[in-house]
Amino acid sequence: QVQLVQSGTEVKKPGSSVKVSCKASGDTFSGYGIIWVRQAPGQGLEWMGGIIPMFDTTHSAQDFRGRVTFTADESTDIGYVELSSLTSGDTAVYYCARSSVRGTTFQAGDSWGQGTLVTVSS
Amino acid sequence: SYVLTQPPSVSVAPGKTARISCGGDIIGVKSVHWYQQRPGQAPVLVISYDTDRPSGIPERFSSSKSGNTATLSITTVEAGDEADYYCQVWDSDIDHVVFGGGTKLTVL
Repeated sequence: QVQLVQSGTEVKKPGSSVKVSCKASGDTFSGYGIIWVRQAPGQGLEWMGGIIPMFDTTHSAQDFRGRVTFTADESTDIGYVELSSLTSGDTAVYYCARSSVRGTTFQAGDSWGQGTLVTVSS
Repeated sequence: SYVLTQPPSVSVAPGKTARISCGGDIIGVKSVHWYQQRPGQAPVLVISYDTDRPSGIPERFSSSKSGNTATLSITTVEAGDEADYYCQVWDSDIDHVVFGGGTKLTVL
């Protein structure tokens, strides 16, 4: 059973960037994708995008294109998301999940990280 | 863009069956996945690929599809089932994961 452990709480200034990591243990990301989902306070789940390391393929949600980057280090089983040009609207809990894939599409997130709170405030 | 529509809330008495709907265009040809999210916790996959139950998920959880609606059913509801539930598909038109807005299940 894979466990995903994410990096810790972040407090950022508007206009800056944040990078969150997601490490797999007990199993690997091999053959899977890594998706990133965020949840603003009191709101639903919002898909940001993700990466399929075995195909070196990324998909990004339209709302984040141009300011989000997804990477993965297969040798250490760590995935990363970096979000730039932060505003207060980016304050949320950020989750990673291991996702089954069908070709180059993401399907079910079968294991999730514990979440990383990112607060953007001046 | 593709939209999945869920009722904001569903209430059910303990021991009864809860049904949570997820409506979307041609959802019948898409694989639907369902998640449970308890307060303050990360989502947990409860149904994948329309009907598959991951290891550790009770048989009380099942899903079906009819027309443009997928439905998550939880039989013999318990207090511990109180949570938010989300449906999810892949939209191949714009290469995008889509989540429903979520349904808050209240156990009376």
